[in-house]
Formats: sequence, C-alpha cells, structure tokens
Amino acid sequence: SQTIHQWPATLVQPVGSPLSLECTVEGTSNPNLYWYRQAAGRGLQLLFYSVGIGQISSEVPQNLSASRPQDRQFILSSKKLLLSDSGFYLCAWSLFGQPQHFGDGTRLSIL
Amino acid sequence: SQQGEEDPQALSIQEGENATMNCSYKTSINNLQWYRQNSGRGLVHLILIRSNEREKHSGRLRVTLDTSKKSSSLLITASRAADTASYFCATDAGNAGNMLTFGGGTRLMVKP
Repeated sequence: SQTIHQWPATLVQPVGSPLSLECTVEGTSNPNLYWYRQAAGRGLQLLFYSVGIGQISSEVPQNLSASRPQDRQFILSSKKLLLSDSGFYLCAWSLFGQPQHFGDGTRLSIL
Repeated sequence: SQQGEEDPQALSIQEGENATMNCSYKTSINNLQWYRQNSGRGLVHLILIRSNEREKHSGRLRVTLDTSKKSSSLLITASRAADTASYFCATDAGNAGNMLTFGGGTRLMVKP
C-alpha cells in the first residue's frame, strides 16, 4: 500500500533562517506531488506541483522554492524565512485522475 | 484564488442529526471531491464525483452534483461525535498535474 511521510511535524524558526521540509512517498511510481499551505481556519493554497523528476510548477510568487530530486521525494525550501511564511504546510500525492493523498503536515512558526 | 466556496462556514448539530454542507464553484470541472480534516492533521479523501454523475453514496455519506448550477452538497446522515472535523470541497478542472482548487471549508461540530 502507498504511504506518504512528511517531516518534521512542527518547526519553530527565526526570521531570516533557511527552511527545508521533506516529503516522501512509498508504494507508487511517478506520482504527481503537491505542496500546499493552509492558514488557520482556512482552505488550502497550492504552492507547487510536480509531474516528474525535476519538473516543478509554481502557482504563486513567494519566498519559497521546491525541488524533486527523486521520483518520490519532494522538498520545500527557503533561503530566508519571513514572518508571513508561518502556516501549516501539507504535502500530497496523486496518480492521474485520482484523489490526492495527504501527509500529516508541518506546522511552521516563524519568530 | 479559491474556486469552491462552502456553505455554511460552521455548523453545530446534535449526534444523530443529519449534516448538510454545500459547495459552489465557478468554472467547468472534470470532477469534484470532498475531503475531511481533523484538527491539526492532513486531509482525508471522502468521495469523488465525476462531472457526468449526479449522486454518489458511501456509507453514511451522500454527495450530489449539479453542474448546471455549479454546486455540490455533502450529506452526512446519523452524525456521530467522531464526525467533528472540517470538510472541504475541491474541484479538478482537468488541468495539467490534476491540480485541485479547494474551498474554505465547513467546520462541523457534532455534540454528543
């Protein structure tokens, strides 16, 4: 069966520090991969998606970047965090035409 | 921008009652999906309904889709305290990467 791992679960970082959140998927090949951000009490905002290794599409201009160095690995990064980067970050995967499957999320607090 | 908009934003009912949540969207879709999110957790897929379907059932869940009105509803029958969660609709417009556009969600509280 397929599983998705996302870590860390919580993270507290100072303004201006770098960020690296990792997401890995097991049990499937060539999935679509997604990074979302969710503000408190709100819906999900799609940040990046990837349909293959090295293929990244960005949905909103921002202080973040994403990379897909391996088929089932998706990384969200920032060189210098801003206060506005605080939020709940969710990784998800899907196969074509199928529902998305989400990780448990990372709660990022910027101080 | 969010295509799906849920209504109501919050709903409080007693255990055993039915809960109905509505979703409206703006553009044509391939399918519409409903997800559930427990507090502080990831989303869990509940039901996918395709644009050529009008109604779908899964256990105590019933989803309808009216493409002429660009709206969908999720009915949870005989609710339980464990159904307390946020519920989101999401639309798949058939774009590259199967991107979903999520609504703002309905926060459901079921009181025991």
